Amino acid sequence: GAGVSQSPSNKVTEKGKDVELRCDPISGHTALYWYRQSLGQGLEFLIYFQGNSAPDKSGLPSDRFSAERTGGSVSTLTIQRTQQEDSAVYLCATTRTGKNTEAFFGQGTRLTVV
Amino acid sequence: GNSVTQMEGPVTLSEEAFLTINCTYTATGYPSLFWYVQYPGEGLQLLLKATKADDKGSNKGFEATYRKETTSFHLEKGSVQVSDSAVYFCALSDIGTDKLIFGTGTRLQVFP
Repeated sequence: GAGVSQSPSNKVTEKGKDVELRCDPISGHTALYWYRQSLGQGLEFLIYFQGNSAPDKSGLPSDRFSAERTGGSVSTLTIQRTQQEDSAVYLCATTRTGKNTEAFFGQGTRLTVV
Repeated sequence: GNSVTQMEGPVTLSEEAFLTINCTYTATGYPSLFWYVQYPGEGLQLLLKATKADDKGSNKGFEATYRKETTSFHLEKGSVQVSDSAVYFCALSDIGTDKLIFGTGTRLQVFP
């Protein structure tokens, strides 16, 4: 596609429910990143994919968080048993190779846990 | 591990003032360095980058020079405009893993 697409753009969920956030990368971009941006905070790294594999998932906050990428394309970030502290904007970014190249960001998914 | 530290905001300036936003990094080797900008209501986008020591990245009147001796990549602009009001993020590309590591962001507010 023309840009990185994330869906949904907004999600309100009840505490304890599971949510899935989707990222459609730019076609041909092999590297994909998930970040979390909380109100007034910077970008918190969550996980990084190169193709379908995740060389670095060190930023996932707990075992309630998981992510996968299929076909070297679409990625899904899943949060199980959501908590209020999970409320944030979840950003996806992709690059062609991950080496010194520009990262293109999606508009993000604003998650609110009530 | 690798990290990026940038000055806290908000930075508040009058139009046409000189801007400096400090950024220092800790890394093994010589990573690539970036400044990203997030305008109100928009997604992050690349502002400029430098891939080796002494390189100067520039765009839209902004400049930053890769200084390995001080491990810094400070962002500067000679005369800011109201339209420059945004959040600015310094970042590095980890050499070993290619992971992008961001600073906490600095909010710039420019008043007429």
